[in-house]
Amino acid sequence: AQSVTQLGSHVSVSEGALVLLRCNYSSSVPPYLFWYVQYPNQGLQLLLKYTTGATLVKGINGFEAEFKKSETSFHLTKPSAHMSDAAEYFCAVTTLGGFQKLVFGTGTRLLVSP
Amino acid sequence: EPEVTQTPSHQVTQMGQEVILRCVPISNHLYFYWYRQILGQKVEFLVSFYNNEISEKSEIFDDQFSVERPDGSNFTLKIRSTKLEDSAMYFCASGAGTDSYNEQFFGPGTRLTVL
Repeated sequence: AQSVTQLGSHVSVSEGALVLLRCNYSSSVPPYLFWYVQYPNQGLQLLLKYTTGATLVKGINGFEAEFKKSETSFHLTKPSAHMSDAAEYFCAVTTLGGFQKLVFGTGTRLLVSP
Repeated sequence: EPEVTQTPSHQVTQMGQEVILRCVPISNHLYFYWYRQILGQKVEFLVSFYNNEISEKSEIFDDQFSVERPDGSNFTLKIRSTKLEDSAMYFCASGAGTDSYNEQFFGPGTRLTVL
């Protein structure tokens, strides 16, 4: 069975500071990993994904994440936070084959202060 | 840009009543999903649907739940007799199935409140 752990239900940063949101996964087979963002009163929007190939993946809005198999991690980073980045971020995992349900973490709310 | 839509955005119902949550997936997609998120908890998979039948369901998806694709555009989730613990945000998602990881596109959700 797969699972995702997101450390920190809330992360607070100042505008311009580094954003680091942590995600660790558990999977017995090679995983596909995703980060989704949810703005207030909106659905889940895909930020970025790791499937195969390059372990450093870039997404929208300046976010990137690195797949580290040895650490079973897929942490999300952004060099410089903007006020507009304030949202809920969800890490999710699935695997090749089947109908590929997503298994989500509990989410991390990013708060950005001026 | 095509998007998944869901109606209503908020549904309030009395315990024991039936509710139908509606979704319009992206038009050329073949895979459909429902997820839910109880307030403060993680997003959980409920069911996946392909080729007019359920392909996988979670243990949450008991006999009180059903899904249907009544026509070529809608995908519905029915809860026959709602319970207080069914109060949650329900997300519909669809995927084209054209890539190996079947990217899922999510709707904005329906907030269900059971009183």
